[in-house]
Amino acid sequence: QSALTQPASVSGSPGQSITISCSGTSSDVGDFKYVSWYQQHPGKAPKLMIYDVSDRPSGVSNRFSGSKSGNTASLTISGLQAEDEADYYCSSYTSSSTLVVFGGGTKLTVL
Amino acid sequence: EVQLVQSGAEVKKPGESLKISCKGSGYSFTSHWIGWVRQMPGKGLEWMGIIYPGDSDTRYSTSFQGQVTISADKSITTAYLQWSSLKASDTAIYYCAKKVSGSYWLDVWGQGTTVTVSS
Repeated sequence: QSALTQPASVSGSPGQSITISCSGTSSDVGDFKYVSWYQQHPGKAPKLMIYDVSDRPSGVSNRFSGSKSGNTASLTISGLQAEDEADYYCSSYTSSSTLVVFGGGTKLTVL
Repeated sequence: EVQLVQSGAEVKKPGESLKISCKGSGYSFTSHWIGWVRQMPGKGLEWMGIIYPGDSDTRYSTSFQGQVTISADKSITTAYLQWSSLKASDTAIYYCAKKVSGSYWLDVWGQGTTVTVSS
C-alpha cells in the first residue's frame, strides 16, 4: 500500500485537459509545500515535471501545472499530446523519519 | 553536467549478496541527499531510503528497514545499496536520485540498475 493515493489510470483525447489527483494526509501533502510530480515513459528513468506543488523545472512544458487543496495535490496536463502518454507519480515530504513518500502511480492514456 | 551513473545489470541466485553503486559527478556530492527507489516489474515507484553523504545520516522506509543497507563513500562520490541475502522478490530496477537542497524533490536520477534474482 502506497503512502499517497492516486487513480490507477486516466485517459483523454489529444487537445483535452486531464487532472491526476494525489491524496495524502496532514503528515505529508496537507501540511507541507513539498509535493512533486514525475513522468516515466516505459523503459526510462523518471523525470521531474513539477516541484514544490506548482513550480516547473526549466524545460518542462507550461502545459503541465500543479496545485494543492487540503490533503490532495493535483497535476493538470492541458492540450494533451501523444507524447504525454506515460506513468505519473506524485511524491511528498513526510514528517515521518523516511522523509519522502510516493504515490502508487497513474497511467495516462492519450486516446 | 550533474550526473548519477549507476552500476550495470546483475543476475544473482537467491541467498547471494549484492552491492550496487551510484556515482555522482558535477555537483557537491557531500551536500545533497541521495535516495534509492525500487521498481518491481510492471509496478510503481517505491521509496526505499535516503543517505546524506556528508555525514552518512541514513533514513529507511519502514518497508525496507532491515532488508537493505544504504551507504556512501564520499571520497569517491559514490552511494551504495546492498543486500546480504537476496530473494527472488528483490528482482527489480533500482534507481538512485539526488534530492535538491532545501526541498524534497529529486532533480537528477540515475539510469537504473536491473537486478534479477533467480535460481
